[in-house]
Amino acid sequence: DTAVSQTPKYLVTQMGNDKSIKCEQNLGHDTMYWYKQDSKKFLKIMFSYNNKELIINETVPNRFSPKSPDKAHLNLHINSLELGDSAVYFCASSHSSGATEAFFGQGTRLTVV
Amino acid sequence: GQNIDQPTEMTATEGAIVQINCTYQTSGFNGLFWYQQHAGEAPTFLSYNVLDGLEEKGRFSSFLSRSKGYSYLLLKELQMKDSASYLCAVPSGGYNKLIFGAGTRLAVHP
Repeated sequence: DTAVSQTPKYLVTQMGNDKSIKCEQNLGHDTMYWYKQDSKKFLKIMFSYNNKELIINETVPNRFSPKSPDKAHLNLHINSLELGDSAVYFCASSHSSGATEAFFGQGTRLTVV
Repeated sequence: GQNIDQPTEMTATEGAIVQINCTYQTSGFNGLFWYQQHAGEAPTFLSYNVLDGLEEKGRFSSFLSRSKGYSYLLLKELQMKDSASYLCAVPSGGYNKLIFGAGTRLAVHP
């Protein structure tokens, strides 16, 4: 009965590769997010989708491309991986109406070597 | 823009009380969240304040003063399992985007 699940949990890959992280939520939320948490534990939003529509796109290199096939799924594809992309990536979801809390997935620890 | 400040690290003793402060500057205010994050795990929701005053929830309480741009999280009867990072966050641009502080790493010692 996992609320927000993302896969894989760990991802080790070489520079220059392309990789994807998948996220799914079963909470019936209409908004999903990708956050990046760097080595200093600073959690920063990257993207947000509401009902499959991109509504937030922070200053993120265009090597990062989110895709939302439906409102329960939000995947993150990363092209030409760089060493600086190493971080923990969290998927989250929430309702869009009212100030409700966001629920986070368990995170994907990406290590680029 | 938004700016959130909270202490980087705190230590406390099991059974004691600790207060974690957060100051914020934001254009437009839509409330303030506190999240807990254990090492290697996801952030989990603790509290939400939108009105001034203290909200109590078991051992954890959260306070807000909108005029001062200030909030604190109060943890009572500390337990070892409370060792974690505590993240202060404010919504921006409507409710869809949370801006997080850098987090306060709390270490609880016996």
